[in-house]
Amino acid sequence: EVQLVESGGGLVQPGGSLRLSCAASGFTFSSYWMSWVRQAPGKGLEWVANIKQDGSEKYYVDSVKGRFTISRDNAKNSLYLQMNSLRAEDTAVYYCARTLVVPAAMSEYFDYWGQGTLVTVSS
Amino acid sequence: SYELTQPPSVSVSPGQTARITCSGDALPKQYAYWYQQKPGQAPVLVIYKDSERPSGIPERFSGSSSGTTVTLTISGVQAEDEADYYCQSADSSGPVVFGGGTKLTVL
Repeated sequence: EVQLVESGGGLVQPGGSLRLSCAASGFTFSSYWMSWVRQAPGKGLEWVANIKQDGSEKYYVDSVKGRFTISRDNAKNSLYLQMNSLRAEDTAVYYCARTLVVPAAMSEYFDYWGQGTLVTVSS
Repeated sequence: SYELTQPPSVSVSPGQTARITCSGDALPKQYAYWYQQKPGQAPVLVIYKDSERPSGIPERFSGSSSGTTVTLTISGVQAEDEADYYCQSADSSGPVVFGGGTKLTVL
């Protein structure tokens, strides 16, 4: 059974940092792209970042470029999101999601999601 | 930036058919995907590549595409289908984009 378990969320002051983790099990982690998707309270879904199987390619939504860094450790079956210079608008539930890529269509989607971890940026 | 447009809400009675639309200029060239999200839960993939249904998703869920609009159809709606539904796609060179979401109410 595929399982994704996020951790590391919490309350942080504006300008602060936080590192999210996602522990994966039930599938060959190193064979899949992985992504972070967030959802602000009462709002819709927003893709944040993704990373290729070997970590050689990483992509970010414009609003987090230069502040967030996605990474992975295939030996530990873990995905990470280092978040620096946090802003109030980064307040959201952050989901880790297994990502399937359709190369011929330059398309991707998310077939399994974790339960999410809440990040609150407030003074 | 690229946008996908969904109606904020759709209401149907049990047993009826619910249709949720999603519009975007790049949809004729890009696949669309649909997710169901119930309160306090993570999203669940219900349709991929416009019309494919993942294993474990009931047959009453189906997807279709016509021009710049894709549609999620739920036939014989049940009370348990009440949820928020999000479409997802991308434009030709941009990142993943989600629609704003549609709240399905089962009357």
